[in-house]
Amino acid sequence: DTAVSQTPKYLVTQMGNDKSIKCEQNLGHDTMYWYKQDSKKFLKIMFSYNNKELIINETVPNRFSPKSPDKAHLNLHINSLELGDSAVYFCASSHRGGTETQYFGPGTRLLVL
Amino acid sequence: GESVGLHLPTLSVQEGDNSIINCAYSNSASDYFIWYKQESGKGPQFIIDIRSNMDKRQGQRVTVLLNKTVKHLSLQIAATQPGDSAVYFCAENIAGNQFYFGTGTSLTVIP
Repeated sequence: DTAVSQTPKYLVTQMGNDKSIKCEQNLGHDTMYWYKQDSKKFLKIMFSYNNKELIINETVPNRFSPKSPDKAHLNLHINSLELGDSAVYFCASSHRGGTETQYFGPGTRLLVL
Repeated sequence: GESVGLHLPTLSVQEGDNSIINCAYSNSASDYFIWYKQESGKGPQFIIDIRSNMDKRQGQRVTVLLNKTVKHLSLQIAATQPGDSAVYFCAENIAGNQFYFGTGTSLTVIP
């Protein structure tokens, strides 16, 4: 069974569209994250949720809105997509956050045309 | 954000040789570090970690060295194998807050 799963794996869309990426973890972890990895492989945290509560919100455009319906799920909705949003988005989870090891999903490759 | 950099963006080694991947960090308050391995098309995977009260930690074929004086971290991989080809990231953490990742080093193992 996949520990952290993301859908879709690939997402190609037009500029201006709205899209969502879903993430689920079956590890029983309390904390989930969204990271963005650019074309140079730089990995930067976007959001972190602990038990459905937002605890980290880095400087991310408000077009990005995370939503955690329960502690096993953390979805990312992106409004008015821009070319610069093209990247790989990784979901991750950890037992309790802090220095706990983070387990990453396989990534969603977003390409905005 | 914090600056976590790598000295070399790419590294090529012969199969069987040892690999050393370096990482410089900027915040002397960082007290916990992790090395991640990211294979092509996959998410980062935990390899080994080290706390600031240690200067060396060994795992299976991997060793992490921490030099707090010069704020430098290295990952040594013994007897490098083709399966070790990947991008390696160091990440630093300060007082249990979020991790800051470096830009990554791409390791290529030549058979």
